[in-house]
Amino acid sequence: KAGVTQTPRYLIKTRGQQVTLSCSPISGHRSVSWYQQTPGQGLQFLFEYFSETQRNKGNFPGRFSGRQFSNSRSEMNVSTLELGDSALYLCASSLEAAGNTIYFGEGSWLTVV
Amino acid sequence: AQTVTQSQPEMSVQEAETVTLSCTYDTSESDYYLFWYKQPPSRQMILVIRQEAYKQQNATENRFSVNFQKAAKSFSLKISDSQLGDAAMYFCAYRRGGYGGATNKLIFGTGTLLAVQP
Repeated sequence: KAGVTQTPRYLIKTRGQQVTLSCSPISGHRSVSWYQQTPGQGLQFLFEYFSETQRNKGNFPGRFSGRQFSNSRSEMNVSTLELGDSALYLCASSLEAAGNTIYFGEGSWLTVV
Repeated sequence: AQTVTQSQPEMSVQEAETVTLSCTYDTSESDYYLFWYKQPPSRQMILVIRQEAYKQQNATENRFSVNFQKAAKSFSLKISDSQLGDAAMYFCAYRRGGYGGATNKLIFGTGTLLAVQP
């Protein structure tokens, strides 16, 4: 059974550009969450989707957005990139709406130059 | 708002010895779950152990066990017979229970970097 798959794994973008990160949850999982991990701020929750509906949103500016498709795959988009957006972006999936087992992908490393 | 605190930025243990990582949390909710995740250099978060707040019995998973003190809002992780492969960053995490709305949102502590000495 495939795990949570995130693409791309590594990318470099220039300030002002936008980026789209993709996450394919484990087959059958309908819950997808996104986190940003940086040395300074640690792990911060971005947003959470369940059956294509955003249930929760973290304290991030509107430049950060996401969506979930009918096949549960999710994308997050960051527009007008800033240097401070450089981070590891982690996606997690769970079978249940409030799951006891939440699986993470290997993350997408974003560097903004 | 819920918070999770890990007061030990770094810990070190000798191979085959036992180590305890500390975690405290703050919440006004009675229904919640607590987790320990391991993040090795590959950066993939791996679930180590979980504890349901309504359960009094401490969770155990092979060499990993927790000491859950609900009244003190403490949730420490004990690793017995430490192995070189246990070296990683360990994160304590909190998830609200189903009452008030289902969610998989995790609130993480700042992590404890565990080194295992051969």
